[in-house]
Amino acid sequence: GAGVSQSPRYKVAKRGQDVALRCDPISGHVSLFWYQQALGQGPEFLTYFQNEAQLDKSGLPSDRFFAERPEGSVSTLKIQRTQQEDSAVYLCASSLVGGLADTQYFGPGTRLTVL
Amino acid sequence: TQLLEQSPQFLSIQEGENLTVYCNSSSVFSSLQWYRQEPGEGPVLLVTVVTGGEVKKLKRLTFQFGDARKDSSLHITAAQPGDTGLYLCAGESNFGNEKLTFGTGTRLTIIP
Repeated sequence: GAGVSQSPRYKVAKRGQDVALRCDPISGHVSLFWYQQALGQGPEFLTYFQNEAQLDKSGLPSDRFFAERPEGSVSTLKIQRTQQEDSAVYLCASSLVGGLADTQYFGPGTRLTVL
Repeated sequence: TQLLEQSPQFLSIQEGENLTVYCNSSSVFSSLQWYRQEPGEGPVLLVTVVTGGEVKKLKRLTFQFGDARKDSSLHITAAQPGDTGLYLCAGESNFGNEKLTFGTGTRLTIIP
């Protein structure tokens, strides 16, 4: 089957615009994660879903960031009133059942550039 | 805050040479994973180590988890141009949360 897909792959936004980033996890995967990767850095955790429940959102940098997964499958990360510091690659990952050492499969990411 | 420091940050060596990348933390992790990331793609899992002192081999790559489960190393023998990429270690805590804490990354370039 297909891997994790993300869209769009590239997004350019003017400062102050709202953006929505989509993640399609591997079918049947229970857990879904969002990470933010700044240029030249390792990814940083943003938020985590188990099915439709958002169990951890401790990594969201501000209340401008919002994520949802209403039907326990596709997820959307929304950033309101984008700022230049939001420029980064946003990675989505999914895992089958969760739990210790369960493999997370990553999508290719969405590169967001805020002008 | 759990931090994972990787060293070196950048490494450029000739094809055929050996190299070691280190991943260190002051925190204990229940598991540690190594990923490789190519430009424009997401990280791809290479290996997961769970037990302190564990050694895993994947062809020319050898991974070791420290006895105290705070550090890890990746050793590559006879490096090839195809090994070029960003190597990331990532730790999973023991707090019932599956989120990964990633290291700072090592960008490896193998010169033919």
